[in-house]
Amino acid sequence: KAGVTQTPRYLIKTRGQQVTLSCSPISGHRSVSWYQQTPGQGLQFLFEYFSETQRNKGNFPGRFSGRQFSNSRSEMNVSTLELGDSALYLCASSLVFSGNNEQFFGPGTRLTVL
Amino acid sequence: DQQVKQNSPSLSVQEGRISILNCDYTNSMFDYFLWYKKYPAEGPTFLISISSIKDKNEDGRFTVFLNKSAKHLSLHIVPSQPGDSAVYFCAASAYQGAQKLVFGQGTRLTINP
Repeated sequence: KAGVTQTPRYLIKTRGQQVTLSCSPISGHRSVSWYQQTPGQGLQFLFEYFSETQRNKGNFPGRFSGRQFSNSRSEMNVSTLELGDSALYLCASSLVFSGNNEQFFGPGTRLTVL
Repeated sequence: DQQVKQNSPSLSVQEGRISILNCDYTNSMFDYFLWYKKYPAEGPTFLISISSIKDKNEDGRFTVFLNKSAKHLSLHIVPSQPGDSAVYFCAASAYQGAQKLVFGQGTRLTINP
């Protein structure tokens, strides 16, 4: 079974631009969560989507948004990029009805904002 | 406000010995705890979890201990192997099945031959 895939793997943008990251979950997984990893803050929860609806949201500004499609693929968008948005963005999928929290992570997209 | 804390950024252990990674949490509403391992250029992979109704869970070389009164959990790896060298993250959630995980900042474990 293929794992979680994320595209692109690396991205360089300048301040003020916007960016869209993509995540394809494991086949059959309906929940997709996004996390931001930075050296100072560790992994921080951005949001979670299930059946095309945002179910949970972390403490990030409105510049961070996402969506999920009917095939469970998800995208996240960051508008008006700031230097502090440079981070590794991780997507995780899970089989919601498995009875545990196990989330399967993709390799991440490394975003650098110049 | 760091609700899950891993106070040791790094840990070095000799191969064959026991590795003990520690994690503290502040939110008493957390009910389920997980450990993830991360290699460079890869996403975190799930290792082991524990529910708050237990104080210990074992899976092969990995054992997680939970002390609810102290709001403390630890991961024991015995015996430690070179392939265990990675960054280990502790995570917590409000209930088993919750998709929102609160992570610690990670501990880099290095196993020396």
